[in-house]
Amino acid sequence: NAGVTQTPKFQVLKTGQSMTLQCAQDMNHEYMSWYRQDPGMGLRLIHYSVGAGITDQGEVPNGYNVSRSTTEDFPLRLLSAAPSQTSVYFCASSFLAAPYEQYFGPGTRLTVT
Amino acid sequence: AQKVTQAQTEISVVEKEDVTLDCVYETRDTTYYLFWYKQPPSGELVFLIRRNSFDEQNEISGRYSWNFQKSTSSFNFTITASQVVDSAVYFCALSAINNNDMRFGAGTRLTVKP
Repeated sequence: NAGVTQTPKFQVLKTGQSMTLQCAQDMNHEYMSWYRQDPGMGLRLIHYSVGAGITDQGEVPNGYNVSRSTTEDFPLRLLSAAPSQTSVYFCASSFLAAPYEQYFGPGTRLTVT
Repeated sequence: AQKVTQAQTEISVVEKEDVTLDCVYETRDTTYYLFWYKQPPSGELVFLIRRNSFDEQNEISGRYSWNFQKSTSSFNFTITASQVVDSAVYFCALSAINNNDMRFGAGTRLTVKP
């Protein structure tokens, strides 16, 4: 099993550009989530999904969209990148919603100039 | 609202020393779960432990132990006889049973020197 995979590993965007961060898991997990990690702030939940076709907002959803058309994939879209979105993004999955242990992907380091 | 506080931003110890990482949480829920994750220099997050609010027994796993005290809303993590490989950022996290909003602390960076 590959576990949770994320692409790309690194990305540089200019302000106003849009892009999609990809996340896939092969563990047949129902629950998937996106976090951003910023220095001194730990991880903050952006969006999550409890199953295909169901998504909801987390703590910091503004500027991001998600969709969940399949169990395996959970892409995160930046609509119009801003420097404040410079961060490391982690995708995670778990068997069911919290409070089950989450498996994290390797992360995507995004820089917005 | 749920909140997790890890007051120790950075800790540095010499190999073989014991070290305790503090975690204090706030929640109005009576049922909740606490977690510890490790983030080594490679960047990935590794699950260490989950504890529910009804189980206050301390847990030991090798050199790792966890002390959960509801009376002080704390879930502290102790590494005994630390090793260089323990160098990482450690995150404490809190989740209620009926929501999907896991809250992480800011993390504690542990450096173990040889």
